[in-house]
Amino acid sequence: DTEVTQTPKHLVMGMTNKKSLKCEQHMGHRAMYWYKQKAKKPPELMFVYSYEKLSINESVPSRFSPECPNSSLLNLHLHALQPEDSALYLCASSQGPAGGYEKLFFGSGTQLSVL
Amino acid sequence: DAKTTQPNSMESNEEEPVHLPCNHSTISGTDYIHWYRQLPSQGPEYVIHGLTSNVNNRMASLAIAEDRKSSTLILHRATLRDAAVYYCILTSGNTPLVFGKGTRLSVIA
Repeated sequence: DTEVTQTPKHLVMGMTNKKSLKCEQHMGHRAMYWYKQKAKKPPELMFVYSYEKLSINESVPSRFSPECPNSSLLNLHLHALQPEDSALYLCASSQGPAGGYEKLFFGSGTQLSVL
Repeated sequence: DAKTTQPNSMESNEEEPVHLPCNHSTISGTDYIHWYRQLPSQGPEYVIHGLTSNVNNRMASLAIAEDRKSSTLILHRATLRDAAVYYCILTSGNTPLVFGKGTRLSVIA
């Protein structure tokens, strides 16, 4: 199994809603990542978890709250988002901590629309 | 952070070889060169990576200049399914993958 599974595939939410994005991998990977991608732009790193601990937060607003309950699961909790947060949210995992020769496996993403 | 420079777009005919260039003149000795691609409506996909020597795998070949200041991703026979944005990325130490603008490859039948 070399898949990273993201749910839901599409999400529409209002600015007062609370929602969560879910990401799962069963490859035994110990690092997991959240990226945000606006249309026609490259993915931008948001968070990195290594061994279930948050190791990198790229100055992401607090309305995005990551959580790593175990080594296979990564969540992104969303609260009070703005329309400009509409984007494709990508999850990825790697066998070891970020950097060097590690290769990342990406999910297909959750397309988020904030109304 | 080490940066890469790629052409914005390239075009290739189907079944022809494609050479995608990447300049990284400020590369350090510990930087790995990675290539990922992103097909329409999908997440990025690992293609290949290398440090100093040329590398081959089932998807592509990576040719690294002797001074390591540039590299070229080679697709030996382009197909319509190879149309994607190709990203050349440097990583080292604890630096995670940081994407640049990439090259949009169009393949013409």
